[in-house]
Amino acid sequence: EVQLVESGGGLVQSGGSLRLSCAASGFTFVNYWMHWVRQVPGKGLVWVSRVNGDGTSTTYADSVKGRFTISRDNAKNTLYLQMRSLRAEDTAVYYCAKSLKSLYDFSPWGQGTVVTVSS
Amino acid sequence: QSALTQPASVSGSPGQSITISCTGTSSDVGTSDYVSWYQQHPGKGPKVLIHEVNNRPSGVSNRFSGSKSGNTASLTISGLQAEDEADYYCSSYASTTSGVVFGGGTKLTVL
Repeated sequence: EVQLVESGGGLVQSGGSLRLSCAASGFTFVNYWMHWVRQVPGKGLVWVSRVNGDGTSTTYADSVKGRFTISRDNAKNTLYLQMRSLRAEDTAVYYCAKSLKSLYDFSPWGQGTVVTVSS
Repeated sequence: QSALTQPASVSGSPGQSITISCTGTSSDVGTSDYVSWYQQHPGKGPKVLIHEVNNRPSGVSNRFSGSKSGNTASLTISGLQAEDEADYYCSSYASTTSGVVFGGGTKLTVL
C-alpha cells in the first residue's frame, strides 16, 4: 500500500525556520515527482512546490519562492520542505503528495502536518 | 481568492445527480488537459477522483465523472450517497506559472 506520512510541523515564531519531512513507502520513490500542498484550516488548497525523481528539478509557487526549499533523499525514501523566513500567512496544514500520472495531479496525499507561525 | 472559481456549496438527495462547476481562464482550465478533481472528508487528506479532465483512477466509483467545455470544467456525481458528503476541489495546470492552481472548494451536502 502506498503511504505518505508527514512530520515536523509545529509552532514557530515569525521569521523562524522549520523543516518538514514526508516518509514514503509502498512504491518506487525515485520514479515519481513529489509535491507539497498547503491548506489554511477551513480554506482551500494551495500548491507549494514540486521536485523530480532525482532532485535536480524544482518549481515553487511565487508566494514561497526564495524562502522554501524542496528536496528529497531517495536512499531514505523521504521528501523534505525547508521553510525559512516564515510569516503568519504560512500557517496551514502541509500535505505531501505523489504525482499520479503527470506533474499536475496528485495521489495519494498524506494526512498532513500543522504549521503555526505566531506573530 | 482562489484562482479557479467553484460554487461554495451544493446539495442533493440520495440517488440524485449533482454537478459542480470549476471556472478558470484561457491560461489554465481553458487550455489544459490537466484538470483534476479531489474529494476531502473532514480531517483527512484529499483523494483524487478525476485526472486529465475525465479519467478515473482505478478504485474510484464510476458514479464520478468529469468533463470540460471552454474555461469551465465540471464534476458530476450520480446516484448520490451519504458518504459523498465532503468538500470537492478542482485543480488545473497553469501555464503562466507552470504550477497548479486549485479552486476554492465546494461543500456537498447530501440531504
